[in-house]
Amino acid sequence: AQTVTQSQPEMSVQEAETVTLSCTYDTSESDYYLFWYKQPPSRQMILVIRQEAYKQQNATENRFSVNFQKAAKSFSLKISDSQLGDAAMYFCALTGTASKLTFGTGTRLQVTL
Amino acid sequence: GAGVSQSPSNKVTEKGKDVELRCDPISGHTALYWYRQRLGQGLEFLIYFQGNSAPDKSGLPSDRFSAERTGESVSTLTIQRTQQEDSAVYLCASSFRLAGGGDTQYFGPGTRLTVL
Repeated sequence: AQTVTQSQPEMSVQEAETVTLSCTYDTSESDYYLFWYKQPPSRQMILVIRQEAYKQQNATENRFSVNFQKAAKSFSLKISDSQLGDAAMYFCALTGTASKLTFGTGTRLQVTL
Repeated sequence: GAGVSQSPSNKVTEKGKDVELRCDPISGHTALYWYRQRLGQGLEFLIYFQGNSAPDKSGLPSDRFSAERTGESVSTLTIQRTQQEDSAVYLCASSFRLAGGGDTQYFGPGTRLTVL
């Protein structure tokens, strides 16, 4: 069985500052993939970043980057230069060969002026 | 092309009624997934279709839930004899299935189901 744990129900960051969202996971598979999705109030899940477990290099997408620690089974998301539009629920997710995603319970990010 | 679309956007029904939720995946995507998101929670996997293979129904919570997909196009999720605990947002996603897995799933806007 696969599990994903997000231990921060809510986080707050000031505009232009940096924030890190935590995620830990467990899986018995050797090949797996990790994702961060953003869900604004519109409900639409939007892919933020994707990481292949076999790659040691941390994935980066503009202001978003991850810190992937395979041995510790940790996959945190760093948002730099936070913007008001970054306010949303953020979900960490995991998939292996079975394709279906296993999600964490989410972290609500507030961005303040 | 267009993204994943779902209809209706919102559905209110009475306990005991049947409901059908529709999903139109991205054209060319061979895989289609249904998830359920209860209020304040993460997404729970329900069912997965891949081409002509038998669907993975391992996430369906009871035999009141069923889903169909015609080829690689539209899918419908049916909930029979709805119960109040079925109230949730139902999200559909599609992807182009990669041989080694790890395909990126693209989500629709969801259907919010409220059972009175």
